[in-house]
Amino acid sequence: QVQLVQSGAEVKKPGASVKVSCKASGYTFTSFAMHWVRQAPGQSLEWMGWYNADYGNTEYSQKFQGRVTITRDTSASTAYMELSSLRFEDTAVYYCARGGGEPWGQGTQVTVSS
Amino acid sequence: DIVMTQTPLYLSVTPGQPASISCKSSQSLLHSDGKTYLYWYLQKAGQPPQLLIYEVSNRFSGVPDRFSGSGSGTDFTLKISRVEAEDVGVYYCMHSVQMWTFGQGTTVEIK
Repeated sequence: QVQLVQSGAEVKKPGASVKVSCKASGYTFTSFAMHWVRQAPGQSLEWMGWYNADYGNTEYSQKFQGRVTITRDTSASTAYMELSSLRFEDTAVYYCARGGGEPWGQGTQVTVSS
Repeated sequence: DIVMTQTPLYLSVTPGQPASISCKSSQSLLHSDGKTYLYWYLQKAGQPPQLLIYEVSNRFSGVPDRFSGSGSGTDFTLKISRVEAEDVGVYYCMHSVQMWTFGQGTTVEIK
């Protein structure tokens, strides 16, 4: 079945970077976009950016511009989201989601703590 | 940027009774291709969001027919005809044209 499996929880110090992976299976990875969304504790969902498979480019939310990088490895059917210069307020669950709105990965908890 | 506003933010419903959630966008969601990219999700505790409705009124595979979506332009509604215990969680509307924009979420609990 179509599914996205993300990497495990991370604990990082302020100023560090984190890279979350999202392995796709059950469909043609190169035919679909991949979005990244995060959810801080008790908050709504916040879109971070996406990989546009139609044009082979990325687009990022202005809020994260300069700090987020979305990449993919087509040979491994895996997408990546790297967030740098981490702050305490970046503590959240990070999700990947396929273009079209479904499926979503199970989520990766990223905790920023000194 | 488009802003999505949901009301109410909290709903307590008796099992078997209907429920309705409104989602209003700050500008029309009608795309130049004629489609309206408005989605509804349910997020249960500790889980990722699950798609209920896509393009305003189309139920996703496996979604019970007690869920229905309607609306156009800037005003959209999700209706649950008879709420069941398994429907508890947070409901989000989402606009999707390239970037995604979410509403604040509506928490539904059972009385």
